[in-house]
Amino acid sequence: DAKTTQPTSMDCAEGRAANLPCNHSTISGNEYVYWYRQIHSQGPQYIIHGLKNNETNEMASLIITEDRKSSTLILPHATLRDTAVYYCIVKHNNNDMRFGAGTRLTVKP
Amino acid sequence: NAGVTQTPKFQVLKTGQSMTLQCAQDMNHNSMYWYRQDPGMGLRLIYYSASEGTTDKGEVPNGYNVSRLNKREFSLRLESAAPSQTSVYFCASSDLTRVNEQFFGPGTRLTVL
Repeated sequence: DAKTTQPTSMDCAEGRAANLPCNHSTISGNEYVYWYRQIHSQGPQYIIHGLKNNETNEMASLIITEDRKSSTLILPHATLRDTAVYYCIVKHNNNDMRFGAGTRLTVKP
Repeated sequence: NAGVTQTPKFQVLKTGQSMTLQCAQDMNHNSMYWYRQDPGMGLRLIYYSASEGTTDKGEVPNGYNVSRLNKREFSLRLESAAPSQTSVYFCASSDLTRVNEQFFGPGTRLTVL
């Protein structure tokens, strides 16, 4: 499975867009990009996933570069409740998801 | 629907004691998982069960056993607890037909003295 690299931490102003990057330069053709987040002490929560096309749902947008070597999770209007650790995971199926350390996003008033 | 439930929420054990963590889901999911999360770290997969009657090792299986009791329930057993097993344990489930989403329980906070 492809490894991912994410910044350790990021800050974002409330109401602004939060753009969380993820590098996955060794991704293979059948591997999906998943994003989860974990709000303090809770179980992780699924956000979005994609293969090669950009995806959008009610929570976020996922932008995947054309070569698929990196992606960006966009929270369009961050709120204080979006403060969490965000995990980018690359996997070809749903079993054996490997969570790294993730990016700690702090949304500030 | 309750989703994924875990019992107990908190537990303190002495070294060498045994215990079983219980997990149940009411979403009719085929797959279930056990993870552990140490302070400041991401989750690590202990065991998973792709479907009823099957179990497979994950990244950190040593010191644990699992039982997929039926489609709803997946238990994790510590036969002889060690301080290194102090962690938060999360159970999750997913539907194999959708390559996307695992649903997580609230976690069990285990301390081994």
